[in-house]
Amino acid sequence: EAEVAQSPRYKITEKSQAVAFWCDPISGHATLYWYRQILGQGPELLVQFQDESVVDDSQLPKDRFSAERLKGVDSTLKIQPAELGDSAMYLCASSLEAGVRNTQYFGPGTRLTVL
Amino acid sequence: KQEVTQIPAALSVPEGENLVLNCSFTDSAIYNLQWFRQDPGKGLTSLLLIQSSQREQTSGRLNASLDKSSGRSTLYIAASQPGDSATYLCAAFSVDYGGATNKLIFGTGTLLAVQP
Repeated sequence: EAEVAQSPRYKITEKSQAVAFWCDPISGHATLYWYRQILGQGPELLVQFQDESVVDDSQLPKDRFSAERLKGVDSTLKIQPAELGDSAMYLCASSLEAGVRNTQYFGPGTRLTVL
Repeated sequence: KQEVTQIPAALSVPEGENLVLNCSFTDSAIYNLQWFRQDPGKGLTSLLLIQSSQREQTSGRLNASLDKSSGRSTLYIAASQPGDSATYLCAAFSVDYGGATNKLIFGTGTLLAVQP
């Protein structure tokens, strides 16, 4: 069964360092999402791609976060510099299209700890 | 702005018991309501998706209902098993009046423990 792949699974970094997360969606899925889940809370959408284009990054802290999906397949989320409050689970999801009838499939996530 | 709330935050039941998890949302302008399962330190697995025109969906021992007018959804789990222990999240696919796209708005989850 096809799955969304993410790496690394765990990342520990110090404050002010740069970190990057990678996501490979299910083959053929045009829509890719990055979510942040703080411990004890539900995921919150950071950025949504349709193919290689950003369609929603309204909740992305653009002073330190950036995301790209250059060829419309895999994607990278970067934080520079990392802050203590960035400690969270970063989840990637993909769906066939962006419509309401399309289920989002989630990857295993990257657990980030900022010291 | 859509807000999704789940009650209770945590629940512990003995194996074999039937149980109900509750989800409420403030804005009835939703396209669908989804229930997810999340195991500790893992990603989310979609359990059930109810379109706004539907009243309920069933999958095995799981049944989810949707009442848009009252802003509520329930997830019913029959004959609970220890393997059902996980966090259950509901999410409303909502109209985002201020954003670029409609999006999933998640609740904070119910942590379920089924005791053998």
